[in-house]
Amino acid sequence: DSGVTQTPKHLITATGQRVTLRCSPRSGDLSVYWYQQSLDQGLQFLIQYYNGEERAKGNILERFSAQQFPDLHSELNLSSLELGDSALYFCASSPHREAPKQYFGPGTRLTVT
Amino acid sequence: AQSVTQPDIHITVSEGASLELRCNYSYGATPYLFWYVQSPGQGLQLLLKYFSGDTLVQGIKGFEAEFKRSHSSVNLRKPSVHWSDAAEYFCAVAPFRGDFGNEKLTFGTGTRLTIIP
Repeated sequence: DSGVTQTPKHLITATGQRVTLRCSPRSGDLSVYWYQQSLDQGLQFLIQYYNGEERAKGNILERFSAQQFPDLHSELNLSSLELGDSALYFCASSPHREAPKQYFGPGTRLTVT
Repeated sequence: AQSVTQPDIHITVSEGASLELRCNYSYGATPYLFWYVQSPGQGLQLLLKYFSGDTLVQGIKGFEAEFKRSHSSVNLRKPSVHWSDAAEYFCAVAPFRGDFGNEKLTFGTGTRLTIIP
């Protein structure tokens, strides 16, 4: 158990819908990262938040957005969903001012039908 | 741009045999290097990390990795595999920075390991 929790574990929804994925980092970790794992794209970095502020952006679609709240939990919002958005979405957290070591949550499996 | 290459998509080894999974990276300077394992339906677990110092790094579950700067490689090894090692293995890099807290991981495409009795 990494200490990172993600809810829900599974999510099935229809095209055009909007969903919210939630992540609670390890206690005390200030950084939260979101990754997408799909069959055709592999594991790709989406976005990073650090202590409530966006720190880095990767291959994140404009239909996707994220935020980190004062209690450090994070949410990834996916809108206007398409079939190709079906994937496993991971959240990871890392402590501040330590050599980079990311702890991954169990992931949320999103299926868009 | 940094990149990670895992040339073997799928490897099959017999239980008890030795294992070596290859990983090459492309980056302007020596990055941080990681190996993760993903069991079916599970998240990613960190096996080991290389930041600096000794080029042979010990990890969990009996894994080790040898970093070779001249080859830009960090291959994962295990002397004797167990059936429970069947999983997908990912190599990853993160840029070396003095200010921590800003290191996205770039992953390889993964190597699926199958263990035969």
